[in-house]
Amino acid sequence: QVQLQQWGAGLLKASETLSLTCAVHGGSFSGDYWSWIRQSPEKGLEWIGEINHSGNTNYNNYNPSLKSRVTISIDASKKQFSLKLRSVTAADTAVYYCARAPLMYFFALDIWGQGTVVTVSS
Amino acid sequence: EVVLTQSPGTLSLSPGERATLSCRASQSVSSSHLAWYQQKPGQAPRLLVYGAFSLAAGIPDRFSGSGSGTDFTLIVTRLEPEDFAVYYCQLYGTSPPYIFGQGTKLEI
Repeated sequence: QVQLQQWGAGLLKASETLSLTCAVHGGSFSGDYWSWIRQSPEKGLEWIGEINHSGNTNYNNYNPSLKSRVTISIDASKKQFSLKLRSVTAADTAVYYCARAPLMYFFALDIWGQGTVVTVSS
Repeated sequence: EVVLTQSPGTLSLSPGERATLSCRASQSVSSSHLAWYQQKPGQAPRLLVYGAFSLAAGIPDRFSGSGSGTDFTLIVTRLEPEDFAVYYCQLYGTSPPYIFGQGTKLEI
């Protein structure tokens, strides 16, 4: 059974870089998409982006509203994927989730991490 | 960009009753890419329905999804106490960003 475990710094200052990592326990790593989503009272659930690792190629999709500041990367050898969000502001304060988007569910998000509360102070 | 609008914002019902939740897209979308999630306080969302009407593994059959085009519905027959939560629809798998609706709170 696939489980996702995520970690990273929870308290940042404005202009710093948010960095989170998600480890995939169990199951296959290739073929599925691996996503980051955040949730705040102001914006609700917001999809950040995704990555797919197939063979030696990675495919990324990002939310256009965040694309200039976001990088999602993958370490297939460790079965981990990561999120970096640069130049954070208070508007980036949210709970951040990693999630799996498998082909078997037409890429809906079926497995989620436990969430990381990220607070950005000015 | 497509916008998903959920209604009602809050639905007050009792255990044993039937809940009907609506998700309307601002333009026609593929039903293959419409999902419903349930979220309880302090927890991550849980996938209930994908492809507009297919239940995810382990989801009880009192949940059902339907719809096409711009109008989609999640129905919960015979509400159980554990069904009271916030429900979100999501459009995914086509052109990003993969957007969520604003949610419907199902309360006792």
